[in-house]
Amino acid sequence: EPEVTQTPSHQVTQMGQEVILRCVPISNHLYFYWYRQILGQKVEFLVSFYNNEISEKSEIFDDQFSVERPDGSNFTLKIRSTKLEDSAMYFCASLLYNEQFFGPGTRLTVL
Amino acid sequence: QQQVKQSPQSLIVQKGGISIINCAYENTAFDYFPWYQQFPGKGPALLIAIRPDVSEKKEGRFTISFNKSAKQFSLHIMDSQPGDSATYFCAANPAGGTSYGKLTFGQGTILTVHP
Repeated sequence: EPEVTQTPSHQVTQMGQEVILRCVPISNHLYFYWYRQILGQKVEFLVSFYNNEISEKSEIFDDQFSVERPDGSNFTLKIRSTKLEDSAMYFCASLLYNEQFFGPGTRLTVL
Repeated sequence: QQQVKQSPQSLIVQKGGISIINCAYENTAFDYFPWYQQFPGKGPALLIAIRPDVSEKKEGRFTISFNKSAKQFSLHIMDSQPGDSATYFCAANPAGGTSYGKLTFGQGTILTVHP
């Protein structure tokens, strides 16, 4: 069964460093999303992406964040200068016919 | 107006019992209401979903009840099993436009099913 994959599973970084989180969405899906979940809290929408451009972004998704689909399979989230409060699980998702499928997540720890 | 409110925060049931989790929303543009199940260290997994043109949807032991006028929906897990122990999130998203697929999640319910 097709699934969304994410790498790495865990990323530890120093405050101020850049990180790139990678996702491979399900191959025939056209809509892509990033969400984050701070430990013990609800899942929060960050950004949606369709037709090679951002459809919508939340107030969390400030200038430090960017997304890219560099080729036909990968979908990346870049955080330019990480802050302590960026520590969270980051989930990629892709959608077909309203059904949104999530990857296993990347745990980002900012020290 | 974008919020989805979920209750209870935690729920303990005995094996074989019925688990009921409730959600309420305010945004009338929401058009699709999925429930996700999340195990520790894993991503949310789509469990069951409903659109507002029906009042109930059943898949196996899982049933969504939907009350459009009250803007409420609930998940019922019949014959609850220890393997159902997980965090459950309700969610909602609008029908289309730039917000298509943008899920707004509830706070989550930690379900524990005792053997």
